[in-house]
Amino acid sequence: AQTVTQSQPEMSVQEAETVTLSCTYDTSENNYYLFWYKQPPSRQMILVIRQEAYKQQNATENRFSVNFQKAAKSFSLKISDSQLGDTAMYFCAFMRIQGAQKLVFGQGTRLTINP
Amino acid sequence: KAGVTQTPRYLIKTRGQQVTLSCSPISGHRSVSWYQQTPGQGLQFLFEYFSETQRNKGNFPGRFSGRQFSNSRSEMNVSTLELGDSALYLCASSSTGPSSYEQYFGPGTRLTVT
Repeated sequence: AQTVTQSQPEMSVQEAETVTLSCTYDTSENNYYLFWYKQPPSRQMILVIRQEAYKQQNATENRFSVNFQKAAKSFSLKISDSQLGDTAMYFCAFMRIQGAQKLVFGQGTRLTINP
Repeated sequence: KAGVTQTPRYLIKTRGQQVTLSCSPISGHRSVSWYQQTPGQGLQFLFEYFSETQRNKGNFPGRFSGRQFSNSRSEMNVSTLELGDSALYLCASSSTGPSSYEQYFGPGTRLTVT
């Protein structure tokens, strides 16, 4: 079974700073997908960024980028120039390529951006 | 395109009752997955439906069931409610194209069991 671990329950940074959220996972699969989801206080879960394990290049979406280390089974999220609207719970998630659409989530990191 | 919609948004039920939650996926999406979110257990996969067939089921008791209709809308049912069933129930849909692994979530249904 796959497991996802987020070791930082809470983080807090000042607006415009850069912040990195950590995620490690455990799997015996070679090909899979990894995701970061954001859940603001309004509770709507939003897909932030995705990474295919077979791609060596790290994914980037505007101010969001990942550091994917397949051998270390590490998948961290970097938020540059953080904004107040980035305040949310962030979940790291894993999905196998084969089989049903099933996301395995970490416990989440509560990120607060302070003005 | 309209996003994933879930009804009702809030629900209060009594122990022993049953409840049905509804999810309408994004137009064209044929896969619908359900998740339970609680402070203690976090986000846990309930089941996934594709073309009216359940493809996978999480580790939940048989009181939790679901179905999908021909228009891809899905419902989940919880019978004989327990206090521990109080949670946010999230539905997610995904397409069948190249990005079929991307799941898009609805706002959730907040179920409170008293």
